[in-house]
Amino acid sequence: GQSLEQPSEVTAVEGAIVQINCTYQTSGFYGLSWYQQHDGGAPTFLSYNALDGLEETGRFSSFLSRSDSYGYLLLQELQMKDSASYFCAVRDGNAGNMLTFGGGTRLMVKP
Amino acid sequence: ETGVTQSPTHLIKTRGQQVTLRCSSQSGHNTVSWYQQALGQGPQFIFQYYREEENGRGNFPPRFSGLQFPNYSSELNVNALELDDSALYLCASSLGGRGGDEQFFGPGTRLTVL
Repeated sequence: GQSLEQPSEVTAVEGAIVQINCTYQTSGFYGLSWYQQHDGGAPTFLSYNALDGLEETGRFSSFLSRSDSYGYLLLQELQMKDSASYFCAVRDGNAGNMLTFGGGTRLMVKP
Repeated sequence: ETGVTQSPTHLIKTRGQQVTLRCSSQSGHNTVSWYQQALGQGPQFIFQYYREEENGRGNFPPRFSGLQFPNYSSELNVNALELDDSALYLCASSLGGRGGDEQFFGPGTRLTVL
């Protein structure tokens, strides 16, 4: 089966940098995705890493280490609107390409 | 470009009833995945449809079933509803059978089972 671990809550102040870690266990690993979900909203795609290294998209970056079964999402120059839940998810090619999501990290950005 | 839409937005049912939820995929997408999201938890994969065929299934009982139509819209059917089925049901569309790299989620259907 697949399992993912991520912190349940993180608090940071506006303008700061925060890192949300994710460790996973899965067979047939294809890649690690990150999604953002505001309260009452739908998850929206942030990034996808299939290979080791850092992917940068604006204020958000995502990192993957396949050998360590570990990744993180880095949010820079935090804004109040970044307050949301962040989910890591792994794609398992051996299971019909299903996405398995972690339990989510609730990020609270304070003024 | 039309995004993913779902209907209804909210639904209240009683135990033992049956429910059908609907999803229209984003234009050009041929893959639809369904997820169940309980409050405060991550989405859990129910199943995926690619070109009208089931292309993977999560750990859900057979009373959860689905369909995908030639226009790639999809239905999720749940029979013999149980209280634990109360959740947000999300569908997500993507391009290609992989359905993994970027999925576009609909707003969800909030199902309450009494």
